[in-house]
Amino acid sequence: KAGVTQTPRYLIKTRGQQVTLSCSPISGHRSVSWYQQTPGQGLQFLFEYFSETQRNKGNFPGRFSGRQFSNSRSEMNVSTLELGDSALYLCASSRFTPTLGSYEQYFGPGTRLTVT
Amino acid sequence: DQQVKQNSPSLSVQEGRISILNCDYTNSMFDYFLWYKKYPAEGPTFLISISSIKDKNEDGRFTVFLNKSAKHLSLHIVPSQPGDSAVYFCAASRSARQLTFGSGTQLTVLP
Repeated sequence: KAGVTQTPRYLIKTRGQQVTLSCSPISGHRSVSWYQQTPGQGLQFLFEYFSETQRNKGNFPGRFSGRQFSNSRSEMNVSTLELGDSALYLCASSRFTPTLGSYEQYFGPGTRLTVT
Repeated sequence: DQQVKQNSPSLSVQEGRISILNCDYTNSMFDYFLWYKKYPAEGPTFLISISSIKDKNEDGRFTVFLNKSAKHLSLHIVPSQPGDSAVYFCAASRSARQLTFGSGTQLTVLP
């Protein structure tokens, strides 16, 4: 079974530009979450989508946005890039089985974004 | 306010011995807890999870223990292998939604 895939793996942008990152979840998983990892702040939650609807949003400015398509694939967009947006952006898909008391979240390899 | 804390930034263990990684949380609403292993510049690899209705869950060499009254969980790896050397993150979730991560513990397994 294929894991979570993210494209591109690496990206270099300049300040003021915008960027779109893509994520394909594990087949059958309907929930997709995005996280930002930086050395100073660790892993921080950006937002979560389920059935094309944003269910949760972390404490990030409105420049960070996302969407989910009917096939569960998701994109996140960052507009007006700042130097501080340089980070590893991680996508995760989830499997929740409440009857078994089981919750698992699987991460993709990430997109390394560098803003110059 | 750090809701999930891993107070040990690093841990060294001899190969074959037990590794015990600890995690504390403050939010009593968390009901799912997950452990991940991470290498630099890669996504976290899911290891094992536990629901708040349980106090123990095992998967092969990995066992997670949950003490709800102390708001404490631990990951035991037995026996430890050099390939286990990585950063380990604990994470907590409320109602199977977003994860809140700890700051990680670097585990080094010495041959």
